Amino acid sequence: RKEVEQDPGPFNVPEGATVAFNCTYSNSASQSFFWYRQDCRKEPKLLMSVYSSGNEDGRFTAQLNRASQYISLLIRDSKLSDSATYLCVVKGSSGYALNFGKGTSLLVTP
Amino acid sequence: SQTIHQWPATLVQPVGSPLSLECTVEGTSNPNLYWYRQAAGRGLQLLFYSVGIGQISSEVPQNLSASRPQDRQFILSSKKLLLSDSGFYLCAGLRASDNEQFFGPGTRLTVL
Repeated sequence: RKEVEQDPGPFNVPEGATVAFNCTYSNSASQSFFWYRQDCRKEPKLLMSVYSSGNEDGRFTAQLNRASQYISLLIRDSKLSDSATYLCVVKGSSGYALNFGKGTSLLVTP
Repeated sequence: SQTIHQWPATLVQPVGSPLSLECTVEGTSNPNLYWYRQAAGRGLQLLFYSVGIGQISSEVPQNLSASRPQDRQFILSSKKLLLSDSGFYLCAGLRASDNEQFFGPGTRLTVL
């Protein structure tokens, strides 16, 4: 089983729609969780960290369910500029490496 | 703020040629540094990471190697490139305060 699994999509949604991405991780000892955004042919950039209590940043909401080892990202009122690949990232309690999911592709259309 | 510099942005090399990609980091000392590869349509694959000068851990067997000659310098090398080495190579650091991984702009390598 892969460390971090995501639905690759693509998700094609109209502007203004709400879209949700899910991610599962296999290591129950994982301690840090993130969502990154990667535009085409660019490096990944941190979108937001994911906290146990859930957190919101504008139109973006991230949730963590430790019992189910599940992370989600909700995007409300989608914009054309939200089109990108969203990477789920998990770090264990030990070691130095982060585990990246393969990403979920989002295309927001006019 | 912490910044990763990588060059070149793109590179086209023939099979069998050597490779040297350099990464430097600003704004922090003694960072953990990483080399990732992203092949077309695939996720990020961790190749090497380094916790200090001269300390390299390899995550996957391959014909690539890495070196850390200075605290803020991380180099990815190959003696003979293969077609399968084509990909997007990303150098990254890790912010110790919150475990955020920050990336350089990447080098897009095409081996022909």
